[in-house]
Amino acid sequence: EVQLVESGGALVQPGGSLRLSCAASGFTFSSHNMHWVRQVPGKGLEWISFITTTGNTKDYADSVRGRVTISRDNAKNSLYLHMDSLTSDDTAIYYCVREGRAWLDNWGQGTLVTVSS
Amino acid sequence: DIQMTQFPSTLSASVGDRVTITCRASQSINTLLAWFQQKPGKAPKVLIYKASSLESGVPSRFSGSGSGTQFTLTISSLQPDDFATYYCQQFSTSPWTFGQGTRLDI
Repeated sequence: EVQLVESGGALVQPGGSLRLSCAASGFTFSSHNMHWVRQVPGKGLEWISFITTTGNTKDYADSVRGRVTISRDNAKNSLYLHMDSLTSDDTAIYYCVREGRAWLDNWGQGTLVTVSS
Repeated sequence: DIQMTQFPSTLSASVGDRVTITCRASQSINTLLAWFQQKPGKAPKVLIYKASSLESGVPSRFSGSGSGTQFTLTISSLQPDDFATYYCQQFSTSPWTFGQGTRLDI
């Protein structure tokens, strides 16, 4: 069974940093591109980042570009999202998502990031 | 960026109804569109990919159609489990943008 388990969400002050992690299991992690999607509670979905299987190609939404870095460790079956210069606009649930045959075919349960003083 | 416009934003229906949700792209995305269902407190789940391909395990009452800029998600006979929020997303060009969602209410 495919499992994606995010962690690292927390209450952080404006201007702070945070690293989110996603532990993958139940599939060959190194064979799949991975994404991060976020959702302000009660609002819509926003795609924010993507990384290819080898980590050689990465992409970001303009809303986070320059403040966020996606990375992966295929040996540890893990995906990461490092976020800097956080603002209240970054308050959201962050989902780790697998790209598969059916596009974004498996989602984690999400981890909540709250940016507030 | 490609803008995805979804309508209606809210839809009230009853069990057994046939419902259609529309998603329009600001430029052609061929058939590179997916539909997701999200229930409160849960992660989204893919229903349809490449505009009309049904994901494994998804009931056949869900169907998708369209190409270019206009797409529809149809539920042929609503079941109680279908009351949720539905999102379209284009995966033609980064950033891979979502529609704003359609909440399907009883």
